[in-house]
Amino acid sequence: AQSVTQLDSHVSVSEGTPVLLRCNYSSSYSPSLFWYVQHPNKGLQLLLKYTSAATLVKGINGFEAEFKKSETSFHLTKPSAHMSDAAEYFCVVTRLVLTGGGNKLTFGTGTQLKVEL
Amino acid sequence: EAQVTQNPRYLITVTGKKLTVTCSQNMNHEYMSWYRQDPGLGLRQIYYSMNVEVTDKGDVPEGYKVSRKEKRNFPLILESPSPNQTSLYFCASSLSTAMTTEAFFGQGTRLTVV
Repeated sequence: AQSVTQLDSHVSVSEGTPVLLRCNYSSSYSPSLFWYVQHPNKGLQLLLKYTSAATLVKGINGFEAEFKKSETSFHLTKPSAHMSDAAEYFCVVTRLVLTGGGNKLTFGTGTQLKVEL
Repeated sequence: EAQVTQNPRYLITVTGKKLTVTCSQNMNHEYMSWYRQDPGLGLRQIYYSMNVEVTDKGDVPEGYKVSRKEKRNFPLILESPSPNQTSLYFCASSLSTAMTTEAFFGQGTRLTVV
């Protein structure tokens, strides 16, 4: 079975300081992992994805994440927060559907990022 | 522009009154799905479809129906809505069912059942 845990429901940072959003996963298979961002009143947008190539993944808007198998983690980071980064962030693991085929996305419960002046 | 379009964006209805939320994608994607988002629970899958006329239950299918008569459309039907179906709903599509495939999301439909 697959699952994903986002360790913080809310994170608050000052503009210009680093961002760290934590995610741990559990997977019976080699997982694919994603980070999505949801701005207020918007749909979800893909930030980045890990698909067993490089363990350090770079995404849009200066975000990156490192896949650490030994720690079963996929934390999202950004060196310097911007006001426009304020949003909700979801860590997602794909899981195989053994009956019926296909795959399903399993979402974490989300981390609300607040960026203060 | 490649997109997933949901309608309506906002809907208030009464218990028991049938409603349909439409979803359409213009990317020729095989795979479409519906999610509901509730505070503290993330997104949970309601139903998914791997292709035309092929649909299956997700994690929380009770009280919902779907159909996939055309590749681009995947409507969500609530035959008899109840207050516990008040939620934010998202439709998503992806090119294939491969684990590495990105999902594209609509902008969401906020449903309130009174």
